[in-house]
Amino acid sequence: GAVVSQHPSWVICKSGTSVKIECRSLDFQATTMFWYRQFPKQSLMLMATSNEGSKATYEQGVEKDKFLINHASLTLSTLTVTSAHPEDSSFYICSAGDYNSPLHFGNGTRLTVT
Amino acid sequence: QKEVEQDPGPLSVPEGAIVSLNCTYSNSAFQYFMWYRQYSRKGPELLMYTYSSGNKEDGRFTAQVDKSSKYISLFIRDSQPSDSATYLCAMRWQGAQKLVFGQGTRLTINP
Repeated sequence: GAVVSQHPSWVICKSGTSVKIECRSLDFQATTMFWYRQFPKQSLMLMATSNEGSKATYEQGVEKDKFLINHASLTLSTLTVTSAHPEDSSFYICSAGDYNSPLHFGNGTRLTVT
Repeated sequence: QKEVEQDPGPLSVPEGAIVSLNCTYSNSAFQYFMWYRQYSRKGPELLMYTYSSGNKEDGRFTAQVDKSSKYISLFIRDSQPSDSATYLCAMRWQGAQKLVFGQGTRLTINP
């Protein structure tokens, strides 16, 4: 089955620094990937849709300048949390698929900003 | 009203019981229906994927879709403690990849 790899699984950073999270589709090409944020005991909240070779589409209320998304190839999308603050601490998850298959998810990245 | 409604639970049942999880939705354009299982601090794992109405079985899991009632279900037979997780329903319409999720139901199977 389709495999989506996300790295790192856990990162701790200091307030004001930036953190990059990678999402890779290992055995298929993904023209579109999705980035979610999940708070404890809540469902997934879509942050943005990452499109290969073009700008990401952000959901309402998501700061484009804080959450930079780059989809440089058909197998890699990155999410950079810039100038991170404690309120950015959360669980970030990516997903990928194609139009003929369901989305598969990475294992998530737990971000803690101190 | 949310597009997809799912009782968040928590739901606690004894080992071996049959578990029934449900979602209702309001958008009749949804065509693809999924159930994901999510363990704590892990990404969602695809369990079942169905198109339009009908039933689909995979081992101990059965997914049902009733488009006329805008109602989907996931049944787990012979439940095991390892089935303890949060179960998320998700759906999308034809030609779209973006998913709409339910809130997720927290399930605990007691040995």
